[in-house]
Amino acid sequence: KAGVTQTPRYLIKTRGQQVTLSCSPISGHRSVSWYQQTPGQGLQFLFEYFSETQRNKGNFPGRFSGRQFSNSRSEMNVSTLELGDSALYLCASSLEGRGGTNEKLFFGSGTQLSVL
Amino acid sequence: GESVGLHLPTLSVQEGDNSIINCAYSNSASDYFIWYKQESGKGPQFIIDIRSNMDKRQGQRVTVLLNKTVKHLSLQIAATQPGDSAVYFCAENTGGFKTIFGAGTRLFVKA
Repeated sequence: KAGVTQTPRYLIKTRGQQVTLSCSPISGHRSVSWYQQTPGQGLQFLFEYFSETQRNKGNFPGRFSGRQFSNSRSEMNVSTLELGDSALYLCASSLEGRGGTNEKLFFGSGTQLSVL
Repeated sequence: GESVGLHLPTLSVQEGDNSIINCAYSNSASDYFIWYKQESGKGPQFIIDIRSNMDKRQGQRVTVLLNKTVKHLSLQIAATQPGDSAVYFCAENTGGFKTIFGAGTRLFVKA
């Protein structure tokens, strides 16, 4: 079974631009979560989607948004990029996102975003 | 706010020794705790988990201990190997479709 796939692997943008990142979950997984990872802040929760609905959201500005499609694939978008948005963006999938032994998160390798 | 923290940001151990990585959590209502390992260039990978109705769980060379009284979690790695060098995160699932991660501890294994 293929793992979580994130594209692109690397991305370089300039301030003010916008970016879209893509995530394909493990087949059969319906919950997709997004995290921002930086050296100073660690792994910060962005949002979680299930059946095309956002069920939970972290403390990020409205410039960060996401969506999920009917095939469970997900995208996140960051508009009006700032230097501080430079980070590794990680996507994780699980069966239904409820937490528990059968609901562990499986992560992709991430998209490394650099904002210049 | 919600947080899961770590006592030691870095840990250096000799190959073959046992490693202990500690973690404190703040949400007493959390009922599911997980340890993840992240190697360079990869996303975090599941190591072991434990539910709040347990205080110990063992895997292959790894043991997780949970002390709910003091809201403390630890990961023990037996006979640490060079391949264990990575960043280790503790995490808790709050039940609100969100898993919160600690800051991470970098483990160095000296040959």
